[in-house]
Amino acid sequence: GAGVSQTPSNKVTEKGKYVELRCDPISGHTALYWYRQSLGQGPEFLIYFQGTGAADDSGLPNDRFFAVRPEGSVSTLKIQRTERGDSAVYLCASRRTEARTGELFFGEGSRLTVL
Amino acid sequence: TQLLEQSPQFLSIQEGENLTVYCNSSSVFSSLQWYRQEPGEGPVLLVTVVTGGEVKKLKRLTFQFGDARKDSSLHITAAQPGDTGLYLCAGSIIQGAQKLVFGQGTRLTINP
Repeated sequence: GAGVSQTPSNKVTEKGKYVELRCDPISGHTALYWYRQSLGQGPEFLIYFQGTGAADDSGLPNDRFFAVRPEGSVSTLKIQRTERGDSAVYLCASRRTEARTGELFFGEGSRLTVL
Repeated sequence: TQLLEQSPQFLSIQEGENLTVYCNSSSVFSSLQWYRQEPGEGPVLLVTVVTGGEVKKLKRLTFQFGDARKDSSLHITAAQPGDTGLYLCAGSIIQGAQKLVFGQGTRLTINP
């Protein structure tokens, strides 16, 4: 499709389990972002990729969170030993690199529920 | 600490009324964007402002960037039920930086 695609759309897991969330950005967009959004709040920055490298991972809350983008396209956000507080909607967005003030195109998000 | 403070956090008004939403910070932003988000969807860009004092209009929506580039406002004239949604401001602090931080949002409800 033409937009940002995120899978799964919903994920329910038990406390302590490992979770992977996938993002497929718009073709040709080299900048990719992960955000976390709790109910009633604005998106919270997690990590930003420029190509294959994480240009800014200052928003990752702790070392249980990790993200990769090995070929500069699809990205995977990995959460180890999930906790109930990790429950949120995880949003992925992409942007053309040369558009410094350009639009972020968001996916519909992956809703994670940790029981 | 929230870098971008939005006010009000909730606003419920009648169709036809005017409203203003504010986005404030103690930091200077190289650019600021406004997004609108509906339930179950990702945010969608409404406007980008770059220059201090800049005013942009999008139909009944007027966006202003403060002279010092620390604040912004969104004014809606004659609100309609279709304007209902979560309005988010987002900014880049450092010139050229790609990191975009969001405010906590203003949830707007327009009642018919």
